[in-house]
Amino acid sequence: SQQGEEDPQALSIQEGENATMNCSYKTSINNLQWYRQNSGRGLVHLILIRSNEREKHSGRLRVTLDTSKKSSSLLITASRAADTASYFCATPPSNFGNEKLTFGTGTRLTIIP
Amino acid sequence: SAVISQKPSRDICQRGTSLTIQCQVDSQVTMMFWYRQQPGQSLTLIATANQGSEATYESGFVIDKFPISRPNLTFSTLTVSNMSPEDSSIYLCSVVSGSGGAVNIQYFGAGTRLSVL
Repeated sequence: SQQGEEDPQALSIQEGENATMNCSYKTSINNLQWYRQNSGRGLVHLILIRSNEREKHSGRLRVTLDTSKKSSSLLITASRAADTASYFCATPPSNFGNEKLTFGTGTRLTIIP
Repeated sequence: SAVISQKPSRDICQRGTSLTIQCQVDSQVTMMFWYRQQPGQSLTLIATANQGSEATYESGFVIDKFPISRPNLTFSTLTVSNMSPEDSSIYLCSVVSGSGGAVNIQYFGAGTRLSVL
């Protein structure tokens, strides 16, 4: 079963607006990661936030993590047409050393020029 | 980081045939992963390909249907056997790059888009 559930499933916004997508997970984690997938291609790693971090920034990306609620959010500011893609959260098992990731259901983001 | 070359990028196959997908990495890695992504869905892990030992399959996936080879630390193949239209998906390989432990960022190939008629 999927570890992460994401919402919304799909999101359309105007270029320049901010986009927020959320991820909820079920078990304890060491870290949570976000990936982007452009039109059925391979996934690209965006950002990793560790379980002892609450917020992390990378360029126009801001990720938050609330381990008490088992949830994370990804904010993309000042969106661009090139941000159109599917976004997935991913979590590893809590046991140290296991490198498998379980991917969430994904959010399809469309930026309208 | 790691650069992964996956081929073919797409194929259209007839029911009952088999397709072998190749994944080549530009550096030596311990684990390689094979995923299936059905249309409009998330990624589902098929198996972990370990060099020097048999692949580890996830629940719902069996070796007879998805045989995997891992002859060295930079290369792996996934075969989709006796295909049916339900096998139409994107198949992705990935590797982990990092120091292991809590650092487990995955790098992906571009994927193989398979259509079975």
